[in-house]
Amino acid sequence: DQQVKQNSPSLSVQEGRISILNCDYTNSMFDYFLWYKKYPAEGPTFLISISSIKDKNEDGRFTVFLNKSAKHLSLHIVPSQPGDSAVYFCAAYNNAGNMLTFGGGTRLMVKP
Amino acid sequence: DADVTQTPRNRITKTGKRIMLECSQTKGHDRMYWYRQDPGLGLRLIYYSFDVKDINKGEISDGYSVSRQAQAKFSLSLESAIPNQTALYFCATSETGGLQETQYFGPGTRLLVL
Repeated sequence: DQQVKQNSPSLSVQEGRISILNCDYTNSMFDYFLWYKKYPAEGPTFLISISSIKDKNEDGRFTVFLNKSAKHLSLHIVPSQPGDSAVYFCAAYNNAGNMLTFGGGTRLMVKP
Repeated sequence: DADVTQTPRNRITKTGKRIMLECSQTKGHDRMYWYRQDPGLGLRLIYYSFDVKDINKGEISDGYSVSRQAQAKFSLSLESAIPNQTALYFCATSETGGLQETQYFGPGTRLLVL
């Protein structure tokens, strides 16, 4: 059973608008969360992270929100750009910090 | 030059064959990982190593083995490949130090087992 779930396999957004990618988790031992971005024929690259002691982390156009009570996090991209078109993976570390668990990914398409 | 390299980038093999995927890194990181990616399942951890003498099983280690030949090299072997091992394989590294380190991924190896 997947402990990290991304229920939307794909998302299409118009350039300039907001993209919201969602992620749910079931393991209450997860306490550090990361988002990775993956282009075709490349490995995933780190985008942004958040610790469970925070509810928001912002880096330029990217903001991650964490709702611990709901075991839910989301990635907001504002404004979306065509270069943001990629697969986005949500991932989580447990408090032992030795294994990263990934969600299934969401393919974002930003249309010009 | 890429910090984490994987060879080969693509491989087609037959059921029952032994195959080795190799990973090298120039980042100077102690920790190395092997993952496989399947559609809809994200990346799943096969094995990881925190230093040259340390090997640990991940979520899906059955059917795989690894060798950490040096700090910079971590190889994944399929002793007898089967079709459901067809997947995209990624190597990753992270620094020693704190927990929950960012992992840096290689470009991947696409494996097809016929």
